[in-house]
Amino acid sequence: DTEVTQTPKHLVMGMTNKKSLKCEQHMGHRAMYWYKQKAKKPPELMFVYSYEKLSINESVPSRFSPECPNSSLLNLHLHALQPEDSALYLCASSQGSRNILGYTFGSGTRLTVV
Amino acid sequence: AQRVTQPEKLLSVFKGAPVELKCNYSYSGSPELFWYVQYSRQRLQLLLRHISRESIKGFTADLNKGETSFHLKKPFAQEEDSAMYYCAPHRPMFSGGYNKLIFGAGTRLAVHP
Repeated sequence: DTEVTQTPKHLVMGMTNKKSLKCEQHMGHRAMYWYKQKAKKPPELMFVYSYEKLSINESVPSRFSPECPNSSLLNLHLHALQPEDSALYLCASSQGSRNILGYTFGSGTRLTVV
Repeated sequence: AQRVTQPEKLLSVFKGAPVELKCNYSYSGSPELFWYVQYSRQRLQLLLRHISRESIKGFTADLNKGETSFHLKKPFAQEEDSAMYYCAPHRPMFSGGYNKLIFGAGTRLAVHP
């Protein structure tokens, strides 16, 4: 398995809802990442997990809460989002902290906040 | 400041023409450099990494440390090359040794028949 799988592919949520995005990989990668991509913009890093520990939080608002239950799974819990949080959320993984082989990206979850 | 610059938002060429997508970086130390490609309605995928000195789909990229550039080149563009291309340095994070992959603004390549 050489893929990163993200679910759901599309999500519409209200500003008072709580939802979660899921990401899974079975490549034995020990680093996982969340990125946010707005339309016609490059992906922006949100969080980095390495060996299941949060190592980087790029000053992301607390309404986004990441979780790494094990080395294969990465979740992003969403609560009280704003319409401007609507974007494509990308998950990625890589072999380790010093990554020279590049990242593998999922196809993303397209989130719409209404 | 550490940053990566892709000066062209859009590069429009005809099929068979040469292509050069520019990327300049300013980072202390020696970043690892990558090109990623995003075809329409497809996931972001790795195209090239400077450490491998490889050619993928006819594309090559040479790291020029003197000019701090990592331009992407292809001698004869094909219509299927139309996509968004991102230059992406790995920023070494000395605290904990974790790298961050940061993307340039991207260049949209449009290859016309």
